[in-house]
Amino acid sequence: DAGVIQSPRHEVTEMGQEVTLRCKPISGHDYLFWYRQTMMRGLELLIYFNNNVPIDDSGMPEDRFSAKMPNASFSTLKIQPSEPRDSAVYFCASRGGPRGTQHFGDGTRLSIL
Amino acid sequence: QQQVKQSPQSLIVQKGGISIINCAYENTAFDYFPWYQQFPGKGPALLIAIRPDVSEKKEGRFTISFNKSAKQFSLHIMDSQPGDSATYFCAAPTNAGGTSYGKLTFGQGTILTVHP
Repeated sequence: DAGVIQSPRHEVTEMGQEVTLRCKPISGHDYLFWYRQTMMRGLELLIYFNNNVPIDDSGMPEDRFSAKMPNASFSTLKIQPSEPRDSAVYFCASRGGPRGTQHFGDGTRLSIL
Repeated sequence: QQQVKQSPQSLIVQKGGISIINCAYENTAFDYFPWYQQFPGKGPALLIAIRPDVSEKKEGRFTISFNKSAKQFSLHIMDSQPGDSATYFCAAPTNAGGTSYGKLTFGQGTILTVHP
């Protein structure tokens, strides 16, 4: 079975550019989570969706960050404009049902120069 | 808001030894405490999880011990192998109600190195 698929795996861009990260959850999963991982702050939840609806975006650091889930099989996390401090590994995870396990993708390593 | 404190930050063990990682949580509500394992370049993957109606759960060489009164839980890896070298995260439900439909708060992680 295909797991959570994230793209791109690596992204290097210059400060000020728009960055779009993509996620395809596991088919049938109705929860989707976006996380950011850094050495300093560990694994932080940014936002999560249930049935394509954002439920909690309290972890989104600034208005420069936005996330969408236009359908059950696709979500994006956008940073505009990007800054060097946004450099991190961004993970997407999905879960089937309220009491299931979160399954993580392999992440996008983002470097903002 | 849930806080999860994990220790140690790093751990070095010889092959065949026991690895022990500890976590403490603050919120009194709970129903699910997972441990995740992460290898370099990969996302975290569920290793083992426990629900609070039991004090211990064992799966192969991995055991979770849960102390409800102390709000602590720990991961024990018996007969540690070099292939166990990874980063381990504990997590606890973030919602005050403790139901796992909400968010998980993760510990800071423990980098485990098992020497041959």
